[in-house]
Amino acid sequence: AGVTQTPKFRVLKTGQSMTLLCAQDMNHEYMYWYRQDPGHGLRLIHYSYGVKDTDKGEVSDGYSVSRSKTEDFLLTLESATSSQTSVYFCASSDRGLSGANVLTFGAGSRLTVL
Amino acid sequence: GQNIDQPTEMTATEGAIVQINCTYQTSGFNGLFWYQQHAGEAPTFLSYNVLDGLEEKGRFSSFLSRSKGYSYLLLKELQMKDSASYLCAGLDSNYQLIWGAGTKLIIKP
Repeated sequence: AGVTQTPKFRVLKTGQSMTLLCAQDMNHEYMYWYRQDPGHGLRLIHYSYGVKDTDKGEVSDGYSVSRSKTEDFLLTLESATSSQTSVYFCASSDRGLSGANVLTFGAGSRLTVL
Repeated sequence: GQNIDQPTEMTATEGAIVQINCTYQTSGFNGLFWYQQHAGEAPTFLSYNVLDGLEEKGRFSSFLSRSKGYSYLLLKELQMKDSASYLCAGLDSNYQLIWGAGTKLIIKP
């Protein structure tokens, strides 16, 4: 199946918290959370290089992640703000981004914060 | 700073050829990727270049000039299904991907 993200759509109120789930069935070691906004390239929020091993990306403020097993990578918005309205993409790769290592993306989760 | 520049939008005719340009400034360089993204869908991998020159893959080709910090994606025999956004991404010295904002390609009959 590849990379599966849930939910596909969600509307939140400011201050609420929520968790996006990403699951992959390719036994990939690396997983990533990106956000995509009009006029911007994909921006890395957090990534993971193994179970319980995570690190921050360029836009990590207001987000936390967890990876308790190889297949799953969770992204939590602690207290949602309107600036977090975006489309979120999860991706995975079997190694880090060295050489021609390719990312496999999920279909995206569209989040609106009112 | 690090930057990837590509045109916001391009229009081409079915059956024609189109070239989408990408210029990059990265701290070090470990290769350049092109991904295709149809509206509302996930990006999918098209090509990777790390050495100068042209890589051909069916109707799609990708070119890299490291000395000029320049790449292009060439699409031949355009089909309506090629209407999509094309994302250019450079891999810097820390193996971090720097993404362009994407080029929306509109194909007209």
